[in-house]
Amino acid sequence: AQKVTQAQTEISVVEKEDVTLDCVYETRDTTYYLFWYKQPPSGELVFLIRRNSFDEQNEISGRYSWNFQKSTSSFNFTITASQVVDSAVYFCALSEADQGAQKLVFGQGTRLTINP
Amino acid sequence: DGGITQSPKYLFRKEGQNVTLSCEQNLNHDAMYWYRQDPGQGLRLIYYSQIVNDFQKGDIAEGYSVSREKKESFPLTVTSAQKNPTAFYLCASSIPGELFFGEGSRLTVL
Repeated sequence: AQKVTQAQTEISVVEKEDVTLDCVYETRDTTYYLFWYKQPPSGELVFLIRRNSFDEQNEISGRYSWNFQKSTSSFNFTITASQVVDSAVYFCALSEADQGAQKLVFGQGTRLTINP
Repeated sequence: DGGITQSPKYLFRKEGQNVTLSCEQNLNHDAMYWYRQDPGQGLRLIYYSQIVNDFQKGDIAEGYSVSREKKESFPLTVTSAQKNPTAFYLCASSIPGELFFGEGSRLTVL
């Protein structure tokens, strides 16, 4: 069975600090997708990134970066120079590479608070 | 604008009543989903549909029902058989490799 673990329930940092959100996953599939979503207080889930299992290159997008390591089954997310607007709940998720349906398995989420 | 519309945003219901949550998408996506989120927890899949007139149970389907009569619409009924219906419900639709979410409906049972 697939499983996603986000061991950090809550993180609180001061603005401008760097912060890393951990994500560890379990799957027997050789082909799969990994996702990160942001959930601000308004509730909707905002898509941040998708990575397929064959692409282990790290990704950087502005202040956001992602480190995918198949050897440790981890897909960690780092925010550099954090800002108050980054405060949200962040979810890591995993899905099979099913062309019909994207059935995601979510971690429990990490609540990130950036203090001014 | 293209997107997923959920209504109502907030809903209160008495115990023993059925309630239907609406989800409409104009993204022309074949697949649609319903997830449930409880406080401090991740999302869990209730039902999903890959094509009109067909749907499958997710991990927590008991006490819920769905229909998919039109490609654009995937309503979720929370029945009186659902023992803990108070939750935040999120609808989604997808293309291969990407899932798009609506803004959610918060159901409170009084």
